[in-house]
Amino acid sequence: NAGVMQNPRHLVRRRGQEARLRCSPMKGHSHVYWYRQLPEEGLKFMVYLQKENIIDESGMPKERFSAEFPKEGPSILRIQQVVRGDSAAYFCASSRAGYSYNEQFFGPGTRLTVL
Amino acid sequence: KQEVTQIPAALSVPEGENLVLNCSFTDSAIYNLQWFRQDPGKGLTSLLLIQSSQREQTSGRLNASLDKSSGRSTLYIAASQPGDSATYLCAVSSDSGGGADGLTFGKGTHLIIQP
Repeated sequence: NAGVMQNPRHLVRRRGQEARLRCSPMKGHSHVYWYRQLPEEGLKFMVYLQKENIIDESGMPKERFSAEFPKEGPSILRIQQVVRGDSAAYFCASSRAGYSYNEQFFGPGTRLTVL
Repeated sequence: KQEVTQIPAALSVPEGENLVLNCSFTDSAIYNLQWFRQDPGKGLTSLLLIQSSQREQTSGRLNASLDKSSGRSTLYIAASQPGDSATYLCAVSSDSGGGADGLTFGKGTHLIIQP
């Protein structure tokens, strides 16, 4: 049973470009969470999605960031017009159900570097 | 707003010692608490999940306790080994966190086990 998969593992972008990060949840999981880990900081919640629905995006920056989880295919975190401050590790997690007592399983992360 | 603190920030001990990592949280109304391990440049590995109704969980040489009323959890590692060297993260699920279903993380304890 494959775990949570993320790609790419490393992504380099120049300022102003777009970054697309992909996450495939564990088999049987329909709930996806995105977190960001800035250098020397703890992980911070960004957004929680179910298939075709954004449930909670209270941790997402108001501009340039968007997320989706289509009916078919992986969840995508999209960052438009990247800036150096976007450089971080972005982690995706999934759970079987969205109730708060369900365990979340994390992927290996995508490390974004903005030049 | 939920805040999670981990003490100490770093710890270095000789191989074979038993050790305790501490985690505290400000809002005791949690659903669960998870301990993770993160190796350098890697994702998060879930170690133990304690539901709010539980007092402790054990897995091999690891034992995690939860005192919800005082807002504290400890991770006990018995007979430490060099392979235990990693950053240990504590995270809680609560309504006062960054998102209704997102986890709130501490900044971690960086553990080094000396051979």
